[in-house]
Amino acid sequence: DGGITQSPKYLFRKEGQNVTLSCEQNLNHDAMYWYRQDPGQGLRLIYYSQIVNDFQKGDIAEGYSVSREKKESFPLTVTSAQKNPTAFYLCASNPAVGGTEAFFGQGTRLTVV
Amino acid sequence: AQSVTQLGSHVSVSEGALVLLRCNYSSSVPPYLFWYVQYPNQGLQLLLKYTTGATLVKGINGFEAEFKKSETSFHLTKPSAHMSDAAEYFCAVSVGGYSTLTFGKGTMLLVSP
Repeated sequence: DGGITQSPKYLFRKEGQNVTLSCEQNLNHDAMYWYRQDPGQGLRLIYYSQIVNDFQKGDIAEGYSVSREKKESFPLTVTSAQKNPTAFYLCASNPAVGGTEAFFGQGTRLTVV
Repeated sequence: AQSVTQLGSHVSVSEGALVLLRCNYSSSVPPYLFWYVQYPNQGLQLLLKYTTGATLVKGINGFEAEFKKSETSFHLTKPSAHMSDAAEYFCAVSVGGYSTLTFGKGTMLLVSP
């Protein structure tokens, strides 16, 4: 089955540690996205990539980093510079054509203690 | 830049009653509009979308939405609520080309027996 796989589902880290969230898709989509979800805040865009080896900052990129070395993969690193990293993180992809919907993974819930 | 406003962070209905979730958008160019549903600790699933053509759009699970350009609205309706409809609903907008999705803050639908 085609889809987007995020791992792990739940992640716990100590404050001050970097952590990397995995996102893999087998939909052959050009574009991939990372969103952060907090209660009552909707989804806020962290980073997006429309082609391999290129990515753009979204609205809340500070404290995060990404890479896009392969079309299928778009990992997100939450660095120690992110002041409030505890949140639900969602990865998405789409064909990067106007009017196409984004397909979402099941999310990773990150808790920093 | 585009934006989305969802009126009401929580909407409560009785089983069998009409569901109406409100979405207004702001865009300087013709928008593409989407409604997504999210169940707890899961990713987002597309309910329906408007791109061009017919302004009344039908989606999955009996939901539909009407694009009203003059009112800049894209409200989601369902004639008869079911207990399984209880979830959070997000309205989103994008514009042409390689545009990212911009989401509203979401509306939690509560369905009582």
